[in-house]
Amino acid sequence: EIVMTQSPATLSVSPGYRATLSCRASQSVGSNLAWYQQKPGQAPRLLIYDASARATGIPARFSGSGSGTEFTLTISSLQSEDFAVYYCQQYNNWPPWTFGQGTKVEIK
Amino acid sequence: EVQLVETGGGWVQPGGSLRLSCAASGFIVSGNYMSWVRQAPGKGLEWVSVLYGDGVTYYADSVNGRFTISRDSSKNTLYFQLNSLRVEDTAVYYCAKGVKTRNWYGGLFDSWGQGTLVTVSS
Repeated sequence: EIVMTQSPATLSVSPGYRATLSCRASQSVGSNLAWYQQKPGQAPRLLIYDASARATGIPARFSGSGSGTEFTLTISSLQSEDFAVYYCQQYNNWPPWTFGQGTKVEIK
Repeated sequence: EVQLVETGGGWVQPGGSLRLSCAASGFIVSGNYMSWVRQAPGKGLEWVSVLYGDGVTYYADSVNGRFTISRDSSKNTLYFQLNSLRVEDTAVYYCAKGVKTRNWYGGLFDSWGQGTLVTVSS
């Protein structure tokens, strides 16, 4: 099973500033990596797939990069609606598909 | 518009059973692969099961032999039969619609339901 490790656990950022979230895989997942956003009481929402492609309707301030074992989600200028928990997920090796433990982005 | 609506959660004692339903609209369940993903209170996401269009199913080791995923094409609904429930199965259960990926087995989910809470406690 591939273990996904996200850092940091919590990120405090002021609105309008950049947020950089990291995700590391225990072995290579190629570019088969997704990022999801989850707000309290809501379902996860797909943001990024194939490591860097934005899902339908996702604003351009969200960008993903990386391949192999190291990945990054960048939010270029945080808006109030972006404060949430973000999960990475690999879909290269299966079963099982695995998620990171999440990074909470909170208002500084 | 794609919609997924889960029902059937609730409180059950250890060893009990529940059947979760996920009613879909805006797409055909049998034409896509569908999964159940769960989230224990205050914890992260855990993939649990998948049902492919051809009827093939797979399960996480933690639920294999106790849970069963199925669908009713006439109702465009996905089901999840939970048997021999344990305290550690307590979670919000989400159904999710899979999308095509470069790998044949998929694993990417573009639509999720709002979830249904299963509480296993004595």
